[in-house]
Amino acid sequence: ETGVTQSPTHLIKTRGQQVTLRCSSQSGHNTVSWYQQALGQGPQFIFQYYREEENGRGNFPPRFSGLQFPNYSSELNVNALELDDSALYLCASSGIGTGELFFGEGSRLTVL
Amino acid sequence: TQLLEQSPQFLSIQEGENLTVYCNSSSVFSSLQWYRQEPGEGPVLLVTVVTGGEVKKLKRLTFQFGDARKDSSLHITAAQPGDTGLYLCAGADSGTYKYIFGTGTRLKVLA
Repeated sequence: ETGVTQSPTHLIKTRGQQVTLRCSSQSGHNTVSWYQQALGQGPQFIFQYYREEENGRGNFPPRFSGLQFPNYSSELNVNALELDDSALYLCASSGIGTGELFFGEGSRLTVL
Repeated sequence: TQLLEQSPQFLSIQEGENLTVYCNSSSVFSSLQWYRQEPGEGPVLLVTVVTGGEVKKLKRLTFQFGDARKDSSLHITAAQPGDTGLYLCAGADSGTYKYIFGTGTRLKVLA
């Protein structure tokens, strides 16, 4: 059974740039959630995708967008990067009828 | 807005000591989970509690869900250095699988 994998693991961008983060969900899981975790804090819910549709969104501006593909993998896109976007971005997948989240190791984004 | 506050924020104890971490909210959650996160890794699920008053044990860890499903606690008996990490509680938004995470408790157990 393949776990949740995220790429890239680390990246550095400058203000105003755009970034795409990728996530492959665990085998058999059809729901993917994205979280932002600032240093020293708990993860903050960005949005969730279920069967390629956004299924709920946290308090993040529209420049945070996402996609889910037919194979349930997902992308998180952030436009017009700001310094405060520097964080660990976590992807979590969950299966049908279960609330258990399985997290990847995260993508650490630094915005300079 | 649903919020989960954890206390204490930081805890440094000696090996063999006992400790309790609290997770409190003014909101009711349909279920609550506890995770442990180590540096450079994503959170790993420890337990899910669903019923008010429920108590679950995982080796030296005891988890309790409050009767009103607004709060939870994690008690560790005879802490070991391997217990070191960031402990996070997460409440499920009613009727969904969207989880609201707590502020986290960073535990360090010294040998």
